[in-house]
Amino acid sequence: QKEVEQNSGPLSVPEGAIASLNCTYSDRVSQSFFWYRQYSGKSPELIMSIYSNGDKEDGRFTAQLNKASQYVSLLIRDSQPSDSATYLCAVNIGAGKSTFGDGTTLTVKP
Amino acid sequence: GAVVSQHPSRVICKSGTSVKIECRSLDFQATTMFWYRQFPKQSLMLMATSNEGSKATYEQGVEKDKFLINHASLTLSTLTVTSAHPEDSSFYICSARDGRGNDEQYFGPGTRLTVT
Repeated sequence: QKEVEQNSGPLSVPEGAIASLNCTYSDRVSQSFFWYRQYSGKSPELIMSIYSNGDKEDGRFTAQLNKASQYVSLLIRDSQPSDSATYLCAVNIGAGKSTFGDGTTLTVKP
Repeated sequence: GAVVSQHPSRVICKSGTSVKIECRSLDFQATTMFWYRQFPKQSLMLMATSNEGSKATYEQGVEKDKFLINHASLTLSTLTVTSAHPEDSSFYICSARDGRGNDEQYFGPGTRLTVT
């Protein structure tokens, strides 16, 4: 079992819709969780970090964390074509290191 | 804030030569830097963790004598790919973790290495 699992997609949503990206992790002691966006040919960009159970909102992005279920998600409201990218879920595994999922590719269609 | 630069952005070298890649944190001191490699359409693969003033910690399967890492200061880490071969062609990305206690990593723009 991989440490961080994501649906590979591709996920396609129409412009203006809500995109929902999911991630599960195997290490129960992880305390820090991150979502990165990676455009094709570019490096990852941190968009959200979450440390406590519940929701964390930042603009059109909402991260949700449920440690009991070992589940973290990212919602993108009012999706735009510019949101089309691969979204990487990352989980801290100690000593500052994070392990990354394989990513979910999102396409927002105009 | 939290800007990481990487140089060069793209390099082409001949097989058997060595290539050095620099990673700098521009507006913060990075206690830890990480080096990743990413092949096309694959996920990030952590190669090594670099702490200022100490030896890098390599992930299993990564040859430390081939991928030399030096973290000479709190703002600079370098990765040298020695005796490069075509199979080393990849996208090399560094990230830096600031010293404020959170685990957020900020990525450099990456270096695309092509070995001919």
